[in-house]
Amino acid sequence: GAGVSQSPSNKVTEKGKDVELRCDPISGHTALYWYRQRLGQGLEFLIYFQGNSAPDKSGLPSDRFSAERTGESVSTLTIQRTQQEDSAVYLCASSLVRGGRVFPDFGPGTRLLVL
Amino acid sequence: GDSVTQMEGPVTLSEEAFLTINCTYTATGYPSLFWYVQYPGEGLQLLLKATKADDKGSNKGFEATYRKETTSFHLEKGSVQVSDSAVYFCALAGNAGGTSYGKLTFGQGTILTVHP
Repeated sequence: GAGVSQSPSNKVTEKGKDVELRCDPISGHTALYWYRQRLGQGLEFLIYFQGNSAPDKSGLPSDRFSAERTGESVSTLTIQRTQQEDSAVYLCASSLVRGGRVFPDFGPGTRLLVL
Repeated sequence: GDSVTQMEGPVTLSEEAFLTINCTYTATGYPSLFWYVQYPGEGLQLLLKATKADDKGSNKGFEATYRKETTSFHLEKGSVQVSDSAVYFCALAGNAGGTSYGKLTFGQGTILTVHP
């Protein structure tokens, strides 16, 4: 079946502009995650949605970052007033929850370059 | 909070050598444990997983055993190939009843390079 999809695959923007990144999870997956991966580095947790629970926003690096998810469908990650240090690959993952456990599948990522 | 510590890299091996990448974790309860692989220029792929103590996850010749007593999930492969060159990430997800239910925590990643 279809996996997690993300759009755009690449985004180049100018410093100070806002960007919106989209994640389409696998149908039926109640859990959804956003991570950031800077070049040559590991994965940095940003935000986690689980069903109707309040999202875990503890990883958002500043108030310029926000994310929304409507029900169990699409999620958007918005970065306002982008800075050069925001350049990274933004990864989305979604997961079923079975027996109280999660099994996340990742999308291909959006590569963001802030000039 | 939960944490995952991976063996420092990079790791450089010759083809057909034995591979071990160490991973230890700190978590409450009984998390699920994962190894993800990221090939050059590609996204993250789930390599294998284990959901309870003494479970062995395996895929593509790789294996890892969930060791509760040592809080470890070391990745092994008996004979590596050039095509295994990638970055490997160990991760855990808190399970129901824990304070970090569902949250996925990653190690820092280990770069593996296999030479012919």
